[in-house]
Amino acid sequence: NAGVTQTPKFQVLKTGQSMTLQCAQDMNHEYMSWYRQDPGMGLRLIHYSVGAGITDQGEVPNGYNVSRSTTEDFPLRLLSAAPSQTSVYFCASSYGQQETQYFGPGTRLLVL
Amino acid sequence: GDSVTQMEGPVTLSEEAFLTINCTYTATGYPSLFWYVQYPGEGLQLLLKATKADDKGSNKGFEATYRKETTSFHLEKGSVQVSDSAVYFCALRNTGFQKLVFGTGTRLLVSP
Repeated sequence: NAGVTQTPKFQVLKTGQSMTLQCAQDMNHEYMSWYRQDPGMGLRLIHYSVGAGITDQGEVPNGYNVSRSTTEDFPLRLLSAAPSQTSVYFCASSYGQQETQYFGPGTRLLVL
Repeated sequence: GDSVTQMEGPVTLSEEAFLTINCTYTATGYPSLFWYVQYPGEGLQLLLKATKADDKGSNKGFEATYRKETTSFHLEKGSVQVSDSAVYFCALRNTGFQKLVFGTGTRLLVSP
């Protein structure tokens, strides 16, 4: 049981490049979400999903896309990276919306 | 909207000292309250939680009591260890909502 896994651990992008941050969980959790962590701001919700085929926006969704084709995977796409997207990104999952969320180890992204 | 305020860090203590990290919240309704811990280089882990007023959450020697009258959920530990050095996040989740609202985090540094 690997829990929540994220790849890559660290990535450097140039402004305008695109990339996908991967998130997978093997706990059969329905609910998955993406957060970004910035100094002095705690964690902020980007997008979330309550099940395969269903996604919704969090509080800071601009510049990010998500899809949920399977229960296990919830990738986060940056279509055109900007320096403001330099951050640490965490994926989380839980059995249901009101259950304890389990976090992955994070992806550190630097956009130059 | 809902919000969480925690004391700024870093909090620097010697081993075996008493720890308090203050957390207050603003929310409508009856939120659940959480403390998460982030060790260096890792994702967030749930430390403890409380789901209703006067509940006390506890784990690994840490405690926090849900005080509705003061809208607080302060984290305490009687005797900290070097291994407790981490960033601690207070968070809330309101009834019927999926989103966790985080405070900005408090870094704890414990020296031998």
